[in-house]
Amino acid sequence: QKEVEQDPGPLSVPEGAIVSLNCTYSNSAFQYFMWYRQYSRKGPELLMYTYSSGNKEDGRFTAQVDKSSKYISLFIRDSQPSDSATYLCAMLWGSNYKLTFGKGTLLTVNP
Amino acid sequence: GAGVSQSPSNKVTEKGKDVELRCDPISGHTALYWYRQSLGQGLEFLIYFQGNSAPDKSGLPSDRFSAERTGGSVSTLTIQRTQQEDSAVYLCASSSRDRDYSNQPQHFGDGTRLSIL
Repeated sequence: QKEVEQDPGPLSVPEGAIVSLNCTYSNSAFQYFMWYRQYSRKGPELLMYTYSSGNKEDGRFTAQVDKSSKYISLFIRDSQPSDSATYLCAMLWGSNYKLTFGKGTLLTVNP
Repeated sequence: GAGVSQSPSNKVTEKGKDVELRCDPISGHTALYWYRQSLGQGLEFLIYFQGNSAPDKSGLPSDRFSAERTGGSVSTLTIQRTQQEDSAVYLCASSSRDRDYSNQPQHFGDGTRLSIL
């Protein structure tokens, strides 16, 4: 079993839709949860960074962490064509520094 | 301010040649990381630097891979006697992580796309 599982998609939605992206994980020691966005031929760009359980909102983006279910989500409201990219979840535990990534979900928002 | 800078952006070389990949982290970031991204494998950790020392080299795939960091800034990843399976995107990240402080987020460069013929 992989430490972090993420559905690779692809996911295609119309402009304006609400997008839900998810990851599950097996290591209960994970404490820090991140979402990165990666455009084609670019490096991952940090979108959201959360510690422990709960919700965090930033503009159109909401990150949700449920440690009891070992499940994290990223919601994108009013999706735009410019949101079309690969979304990667990543996690860290304690004083560790090695990011453990999901494989990424390819999202296309159609105008 | 400037982000993480990597060079070259693309590198094509013949099997058996040596290659050097460079990373210039965000100014003031003490921690530097190398990752490799390949199809089917996702993003994999290679090595971590705190200052000029590398306390964790556990992700380096073989002894053909080495890395150094000088002046607490620029890092070079060297691959000797390249093989076709080394073809991947090599990504560098940096953070302001200190030894006794909680994790700070890692910021990535755009990577070097390495192709071995």
